[in-house]
Amino acid sequence: EAQVTQNPRYLITVTGKKLTVTCSQNMNHEYMSWYRQDPGLGLRQIYYSMNVEVTDKGDVPEGYKVSRKEKRNFPLILESPSPNQTSLYFCASSPGGTGNTEAFFGQGTRLTVV
Amino acid sequence: AQSVTQLDSQVPVFEEAPVELRCNYSSSVSVYLFWYVQYPNQGLQLLLKYLSGSTLVKGINGFEAEFNKSQTSFHLRKPSVHISDTAEYFCAVSVVGAAGNKLTFGGGTRVLVKP
Repeated sequence: EAQVTQNPRYLITVTGKKLTVTCSQNMNHEYMSWYRQDPGLGLRQIYYSMNVEVTDKGDVPEGYKVSRKEKRNFPLILESPSPNQTSLYFCASSPGGTGNTEAFFGQGTRLTVV
Repeated sequence: AQSVTQLDSQVPVFEEAPVELRCNYSSSVSVYLFWYVQYPNQGLQLLLKYLSGSTLVKGINGFEAEFNKSQTSFHLRKPSVHISDTAEYFCAVSVVGAAGNKLTFGGGTRVLVKP
């Protein structure tokens, strides 16, 4: 089954404790991205990757890091989480293309930073 | 830069009644338009998209949307809703010809279908 898998689904952590949210897709998609969803703001892009070893900032990259060492995996790293990073996070993947393809989303990771 | 405005944050509707969710966008370049749906505790899935051609687009689950270039709108409609349509709906755009697939989302509209 074609899917994007995120782990964990739920995470509560303390301020400053480094964490990683994993994302893996089995569709051989080139393009992957991370979004955060906040009430009333919709989803905002954090980082994206056009292919292996090619990553770039989205609209809200502060406080986050990513890496793309393999095509299928795109982990999101919070080196020193803060309470304002409490949010619902989604990983998405799509075939390359030029904006006209469907994005496939993971089930989300609800992060609480206390 | 692009922006998307969903005019209603919540829409209560009775089962079997019609529903319309409004979406307006702003962009200095041509965009593709999408509607995604998020069921409770799930990720987003594509309902429909407008790339070119006919301005009336049909999607899954009986939804359709109409692209209006002069009004920069892409409203979503369903003639008769079911309880299972209770979800949050997101309108989104991406830039035509831009490499990759960055989506700019509206703030979402929560639809609550009442029996």
